[in-house]
Amino acid sequence: AQRVTQPEKLLSVFKGAPVELKCNYSYSGSPELFWYVQYSRQRLQLLLRHISRESIKGFTADLNKGETSFHLKKPFAQEEDSAMYYCALRDTGRRALTFGSGTRLQVQP
Amino acid sequence: DAGVIQSPRHEVTEMGQEVTLRCKPISGHDYLFWYRQTMMRGLELLIYFNNNVPIDDSGMPEDRFSAKMPNASFSTLKIQPSEPRDSAVYFCASRSTGTPGANVLTFGAGSRLTVL
Repeated sequence: AQRVTQPEKLLSVFKGAPVELKCNYSYSGSPELFWYVQYSRQRLQLLLRHISRESIKGFTADLNKGETSFHLKKPFAQEEDSAMYYCALRDTGRRALTFGSGTRLQVQP
Repeated sequence: DAGVIQSPRHEVTEMGQEVTLRCKPISGHDYLFWYRQTMMRGLELLIYFNNNVPIDDSGMPEDRFSAKMPNASFSTLKIQPSEPRDSAVYFCASRSTGTPGANVLTFGAGSRLTVL
């Protein structure tokens, strides 16, 4: 069965510092990986997906199949990045997403 | 489109009472998902439907939980009887197939349930 692990419940950084939110997965096939974000008092929404290979709000994530990781990175954190971040996986045979337990990012001024 | 609509937004009830949560997916979306969010376990999939048919309910905690989707525009998640450990935020999400961004879920605002 697929599994998504986000080892950090809370990550606190100062404004302008680099950010890396860790995500590891276990799945034997070719997964599709996503990062979702939930800002305070807002709905959970898609941040980015690995197949798009895009940068959203300065965030990037590279799928590393050798390390089974999909870490989310941003070189310079902003206060408005403070939110709850969820890594998610979809396997090719199942339509639902499996989410990690989430990491709360706090960016301090 | 108003997006995925959930009701109620907040529910406070006493242990043993029946709770019904409601969801209206985005029109044209053929998949509907119910997730539960807690501090300890994050987002857990409870059940999902395709074209109103339940496909996978392996995440439903126990027989006290049931979900229905009588038509393409409405789904309910019922807990009977409710227990304090059911306190969580319950999210409904929907998505479509065959369109750009087909695997992207659109979430509702959630229903925050507190069972005393």
